[in-house]
Amino acid sequence: DTEVTQTPKHLVMGMTNKKSLKCEQHMGHRAMYWYKQKAKKPPELMFVYSYEKLSINESVPSRFSPECPNSSLLNLHLHALQPEDSALYLCASSPSDETQYFGPGTRLLVL
Amino acid sequence: SQKIEQNSEALNIQEGKTATLTCNYTNYSPAYLQWYRQDPGRGPVFLLLIRENEKEKRKERLKVTFDTTLKQSLFHITASQPADSATYLCALYTGGFKTIFGAGTRLFVKA
Repeated sequence: DTEVTQTPKHLVMGMTNKKSLKCEQHMGHRAMYWYKQKAKKPPELMFVYSYEKLSINESVPSRFSPECPNSSLLNLHLHALQPEDSALYLCASSPSDETQYFGPGTRLLVL
Repeated sequence: SQKIEQNSEALNIQEGKTATLTCNYTNYSPAYLQWYRQDPGRGPVFLLLIRENEKEKRKERLKVTFDTTLKQSLFHITASQPADSATYLCALYTGGFKTIFGAGTRLFVKA
């Protein structure tokens, strides 16, 4: 298995909802990432896990809560989001600190 | 802070011609630089990585150059095809699992 999968593909949520995004990879990669991407903008790093431990949090608001249950799974828990949080959320993994392999993304719309 | 600039937001070329995309950066000396392709609504796909001690790297119709003195990378697609139409992102590794992406250049190849 040489891909990163993300579910759901699309998500619409209200500002009071709680939802989770899921990411999975079975390539044995030691690092996993969450990025946020707005239209016509570059991906912006949110979190990095290395060996299942959170190693980078780019000052992301606490309404985004990452979790790495095991070496293959990465979750992003969402709570009390704002409309400006609507974006494409990308998960990536890498065997080292070099090339990253991205999933297809989750398109999130916050109403 | 580290800044990456890609030469133009959009580039239109005729099929069969060579597309040349530019990436300039400031305030850093990266160990390597990467190029990714991104299609609308999808995650970036890794294309090429070039290290600071490499002047040029090739892969099929793709060629990347890296000039650490000019702080610039050029990305070439020879014999371009309509299927090459996409956004191409330059990405700079800044250390500690952090990669900064440029805003990208949207390439349109006309048949």
